[in-house]
Amino acid sequence: DAGVTQSPTHLIKTRGQHVTLRCSPISGHKSVSWYQQVLGQGPQFIFQYYEKEERGRGNFPDRFSARQFPNYSSELNVNALLLGDSALYLCASSPRGGTDSYEQYFGPGTRLTVT
Amino acid sequence: GNSVTQMEGPVTLSEEAFLTINCTYTATGYPSLFWYVQYPGEGLQLLLKATKADDKGSNKGFEATYRKETTSFHLEKGSVQVSDSAVYFCALTGSSASKIIFGSGTRLSIRP
Repeated sequence: DAGVTQSPTHLIKTRGQHVTLRCSPISGHKSVSWYQQVLGQGPQFIFQYYEKEERGRGNFPDRFSARQFPNYSSELNVNALLLGDSALYLCASSPRGGTDSYEQYFGPGTRLTVT
Repeated sequence: GNSVTQMEGPVTLSEEAFLTINCTYTATGYPSLFWYVQYPGEGLQLLLKATKADDKGSNKGFEATYRKETTSFHLEKGSVQVSDSAVYFCALTGSSASKIIFGSGTRLSIRP
């Protein structure tokens, strides 16, 4: 079975631009979470979606938004990009949301560079 | 709030050496504890987990025991291999299981 897939693999954007990152969860998984991993640091939680509803949000500005589609895939959108948004963006899927959602499986990530 | 503190790296060892990577946590309630590994060029992989006090997680020769009295979850391996070279992250989930809180990571390099 395919694992979590993310696209694109790499992306270069300019300050002030907008970016959309995409994630397809493992087949049968209904929950998707997004994390930001700045170089040399651990991943930081951004959002979790389960059954197309937001179930958790980390400490990120409103420039960050996400949504989940009926097929459980997800998009992460970032507006008005800043240099500090340069990072590896990780998507993780899990079978369920809520208290059972700790079994998360991570994708390879999208490397975003903002110049 | 909940947090994880882990041993700073990089850690460099010779093949077949004993490995310990220290991890301590701060959390309310009864968190679940994890070690994740990130091999070069690959995504994060769950290495092992423990969901209650005194549980021992183990996988691929690695072990960690959930110690509530010392709020620790140290990673150990008796004999490391070159293929264990990677970045290791200690992590926890608290009352909000949707949110994994990661430590800053420890880079491990194993010399042949």
